Amino acid sequence: QKEVEQDPGPLSVPEGAIVSLNCTYSNSAFQYFMWYRQYSRKGPELLMYTYSSGNKEDGRFTAQVDKSSKYISLFIRDSQPSDSATYLCAMGSTYTGNQFYFGTGTSLTVIP
Amino acid sequence: DSGVTQTPKHLITATGQRVTLRCSPRSGDLSVYWYQQSLDQGLQFLIQYYNGEERAKGNILERFSAQQFPDLHSELNLSSLELGDSALYFCASSSGSGVGQPQHFGDGTRLSIL
Repeated sequence: QKEVEQDPGPLSVPEGAIVSLNCTYSNSAFQYFMWYRQYSRKGPELLMYTYSSGNKEDGRFTAQVDKSSKYISLFIRDSQPSDSATYLCAMGSTYTGNQFYFGTGTSLTVIP
Repeated sequence: DSGVTQTPKHLITATGQRVTLRCSPRSGDLSVYWYQQSLDQGLQFLIQYYNGEERAKGNILERFSAQQFPDLHSELNLSSLELGDSALYFCASSSGSGVGQPQHFGDGTRLSIL
């Protein structure tokens, strides 16, 4: 079983829609959670970084962590065509070594 | 712009050859991480250096090695290259040594083995 599971999509939504991207994980020790956006032929760009459970909001983006369910989400409000990219989740723990474990990414297309 | 610089952007070489990928971390960051990204595997952690010392090892092949220099730039050396080594290689940097700080990625080196 992979440490982190992420539906690869592809996900296609109309402009202005609310997008929900999700990851599940198996290791209950994970404490730190990140979301990255990756455009084609570019490196992953950090969107959100959270610690433990709860919500964090930054502009149109909201990251949500539910440690009891081992489930994290990224919500994108008022989605724009420029949000079309692959979204990667990542997570790690001080108890599992100095590395983050990445999901394989969800491909999102926002249609104008 | 993340502030992490990777060179070269593209590399094309043949099986059996050796290549060196270079990474300059963000100003002030002491940790450098190397990742391999292929279509079917996603981002695979290879190795981490912190302030010149190896700190963590992931799924790095014995044919691969890395080092971090006193000026904190890092190099990833890939030798006896095989077709399966074709991938995107990313470098990321962070200010600390562990997972308590986020990682910032460069734009990668695309390695193609012919």
